[in-house]
Amino acid sequence: SAVISQKPSRDICQRGTSLTIQCQVDSQVTMMFWYRQQPGQSLTLIATANQGSEATYESGFVIDKFPISRPNLTFSTLTVSNMSPEDSSIYLCSVEGVSGTIYFGEGSWLTVV
Amino acid sequence: AQSVTQLDSQVPVFEEAPVELRCNYSSSVSVYLFWYVQYPNQGLQLLLKYLSGSTLVKGINGFEAEFNKSQTSFHLRKPSVHISDTAEYFCAVSDLSTGTASKLTFGTGTRLQVTL
Repeated sequence: SAVISQKPSRDICQRGTSLTIQCQVDSQVTMMFWYRQQPGQSLTLIATANQGSEATYESGFVIDKFPISRPNLTFSTLTVSNMSPEDSSIYLCSVEGVSGTIYFGEGSWLTVV
Repeated sequence: AQSVTQLDSQVPVFEEAPVELRCNYSSSVSVYLFWYVQYPNQGLQLLLKYLSGSTLVKGINGFEAEFNKSQTSFHLRKPSVHISDTAEYFCAVSDLSTGTASKLTFGTGTRLQVTL
C-alpha cells in the first residue's frame, strides 16, 4: 500500500494570505491528485499533478488560485492563494497504488478567519 | 460525465442490525467502484473496491458490496453493525474512458449513525 503524508495537518490562516500544502508518497507514482472537501460536503477533484508537466485543472478551479508543483515522482504541493473563508476545507492528496487502489492522505484541515 | 448518487444522506440503525447504504452511478463506459469511510475528524479509508471479476466484493470490517451492472448500482452492506461503524461513507467511481482509473467522482456521502 502507498503511505501518503500531508503537511500541515491543520492550520488557521488569515484571509488574504496563501498556504502551501505538501504531499509526500513513500513510492514513485505517475500521477497525484488534489481534492477539496468543504464542510459537510463530499470530495471534489481540484487537479491532477503530473511530473514534468503542467497540472490539469477541473472545471471551476484555476491555476492562479491553486498553483501546483510536482518536482519529482514522490512529492507535490498545492498552494491555496489569497484565501477567503470559503476556502476553509479539507484538502486531500491521493495516488493510485498497485492493483488500482486509490489511496488518500489524512488531509490538511484548513480554516480561514 | 459520470455522476454518483447516494440516495440516503443519513441512515440511523441499531447496533447488531443489518444495514445497506445505497449507491448508484451513471456512466456509459466501464468503471471502477469504491467505498470509502471517513471517521470523525479523520481522513478517508478504503473499505472495498470493484475493479473486475466477481460482482460480490468483500472489504474490511465485515462490509461487502455487490456490483450490479444492469442496475448501475454498488450498494454497501453489513449484516450486523457496531457502534464503531458510525461514520460518513462515500461511494466513488472512476471512469476508465478518461485514460486513468485514478480520477474519482464521489457521491455526497451517507452518514451511518449506529445507536444502542
